[in-house]
Amino acid sequence: DTEVTQTPKHLVMGMTNKKSLKCEQHMGHRAMYWYKQKAKKPPELMFVYSYEKLSINESVPSRFSPECPNSSLLNLHLHALQPEDSALYLCASSQVASGRDEQFFGPGTRLTVL
Amino acid sequence: GESVGLHLPTLSVQEGDNSIINCAYSNSASDYFIWYKQESGKGPQFIIDIRSNMDKRQGQRVTVLLNKTVKHLSLQIAATQPGDSAVYFCAENRGRDSNYQLIWGAGTKLIIKP
Repeated sequence: DTEVTQTPKHLVMGMTNKKSLKCEQHMGHRAMYWYKQKAKKPPELMFVYSYEKLSINESVPSRFSPECPNSSLLNLHLHALQPEDSALYLCASSQVASGRDEQFFGPGTRLTVL
Repeated sequence: GESVGLHLPTLSVQEGDNSIINCAYSNSASDYFIWYKQESGKGPQFIIDIRSNMDKRQGQRVTVLLNKTVKHLSLQIAATQPGDSAVYFCAENRGRDSNYQLIWGAGTKLIIKP
């Protein structure tokens, strides 16, 4: 199984809502990532988990809260988002967080904040 | 700003012809480079990678060339097919300078003409 799955595919939420994005991989990878991608732009790294511990937070606002319950799952909790947070949120995984091995990406969650 | 850049934001190629997508980088410390393909509505997909101790690497219908003298990277796709239509991103890793994470280029959209 070389797949990274993400749910939901689409999400529409108001600025006062609380929602969560979920990501799962069963490749035994020990690094997992959250990226944000705006239209016609490359992915922007948000968070990196290495061996279930948060290793990188790219100065992401606290309204985004990541969680790694176990080595296969990664969540992104959303609260009090702004319309400019609307984007495609991508999850990825790799064997380790070295930056020198292939990152496997999920299909993303298309988020719209009203 | 990003030091991984692309010469052309959009490239149109006749079906069956070869495609060449270019990428420039400015940091001589970069020692790992990777190409991703992103089709519409999907997450990025690994194509090929190359380490700085190599000049060329070949995959199935794809070749990556690395010219460290002029800090230039290219992706060659042989006999371009309609399924090659996508946005192509190059990315580099600078080791400790980039927290071992990937630095992404802006992307090139490849359009295949029938």
